[in-house]
Amino acid sequence: ETGVTQTPRHLVMGMTNKKSLKCEQHLGHNAMYWYKQSAKKPLELMFVYSLEERVENNSVPSRFSPECPNSSHLFLHLHTLQPEDSALYLCASSQDSGLAGGPHTQYFGPGTRLTVL
Amino acid sequence: SQQGEEDPQALSIQEGENATMNCSYKTSINNLQWYRQNSGRGLVHLILIRSNEREKHSGRLRVTLDTSKKSSSLLITASRAADTASYFCATDAEGSGGYQKVTFGTGTKLQVIP
Repeated sequence: ETGVTQTPRHLVMGMTNKKSLKCEQHLGHNAMYWYKQSAKKPLELMFVYSLEERVENNSVPSRFSPECPNSSHLFLHLHTLQPEDSALYLCASSQDSGLAGGPHTQYFGPGTRLTVL
Repeated sequence: SQQGEEDPQALSIQEGENATMNCSYKTSINNLQWYRQNSGRGLVHLILIRSNEREKHSGRLRVTLDTSKKSSSLLITASRAADTASYFCATDAEGSGGYQKVTFGTGTKLQVIP
């Protein structure tokens, strides 16, 4: 176990549904991340939060809405998704977002396998 | 084009053999890391090498870094069936606003046959 949990592990939703993915880290880290992993594509960084403030939004469509209520929790709210949004969504955390230039090891959760019908 | 690209995309070896995976990147980096991912699971950090280091060891893992060629290699010695996974390199470079941006490659899928 890496100290990062994600729920649910699997999610099937229709294009008109609204759902949320949850991530929780028990490592005392200050930075949290959402990644999308599709087949045969590199891991795509979606959002970065540092000390509960969003520091990176990597041109993600507005149908994905992140929320970071505190440094231990991160949500990804989903609405009106498309079938091409089906992927493994990974949450990660790190000690910081690397502003000090130090090593930037990330600890990943097990992911949520999302299928959009 | 992505920052990190692994080569080969897939590798199949017999248990006990060594496995070598390569990673090339395009821009200057601060650090390079290797991660492992079992099928459908999250990534697990294996080893980090800083830009001023040339080689690093951790157990059966050996990582090299050649900043002049912008490449790194991961060697797994005496492979085991449990090493079957995808392996990713991740480069750590300066992003906008002082944020350190980590970029992952496409990964090498390693299969170790018992």
